[in-house]
Amino acid sequence: GAGVSQSPSNKVTEKGKDVELRCDPISGHTALYWYRQSLGQGLEFLIYFQGNSAPDKSGLPSDRFSAERTGGSVSTLTIQRTQQEDSAVYLCASSLAHSSYEQYFGPGTRLTVT
Amino acid sequence: AQSVTQLGSHVSVSEGALVLLRCNYSSSVPPYLFWYVQYPNQGLQLLLKYTTGATLVKGINGFEAEFKKSETSFHLTKPSAHMSDAAEYFCALQNSGGSNYKLTFGKGTLLTVNP
Repeated sequence: GAGVSQSPSNKVTEKGKDVELRCDPISGHTALYWYRQSLGQGLEFLIYFQGNSAPDKSGLPSDRFSAERTGGSVSTLTIQRTQQEDSAVYLCASSLAHSSYEQYFGPGTRLTVT
Repeated sequence: AQSVTQLGSHVSVSEGALVLLRCNYSSSVPPYLFWYVQYPNQGLQLLLKYTTGATLVKGINGFEAEFKKSETSFHLTKPSAHMSDAAEYFCALQNSGGSNYKLTFGKGTLLTVNP
């Protein structure tokens, strides 16, 4: 079946502009995660959605970052007023609800802020 | 707080040689442990995982790892390296309790396989 898909695959934006990154999880997966992969920080957790529960936003680095998940499926990560330090690969993952289940990762969106 | 340490950011082996990638963890509760592999410009793919039960776990592509609680380690091994094993490998930890199943990753180990 289809895996996790993310769009765009690459995004180049100017400092100060807003960007939206999209994630389509595997059908039936109720848990959705966003991670950020950067050279300096490695792989970092950003935000976690589980069903209709309030999301865990504890990993978001600043209030310029926000995310939503509509209808328990597609998720959008928004970065406002982008900064050069936001340049990274943003990875989305989905899984069945319980811990120990595999998180399936998408190919990522490479964001470059110039 | 939980953490994962991968010893060696870069490991180089010859084709056919043993692969050993080291991972140590710190966790206040029993962890679930994972190894993921990332090929260039791709997402992460699960190699293997330890949750409960047998401490020696086998994964895809001939890899295995052993959970050693006394050593807080979860090292990844493969008896004979293949050129196609060249990639970056990430050890990750998940809290077995609680309600947030986020993964905490190590910094990664880049594996190079020489012909």
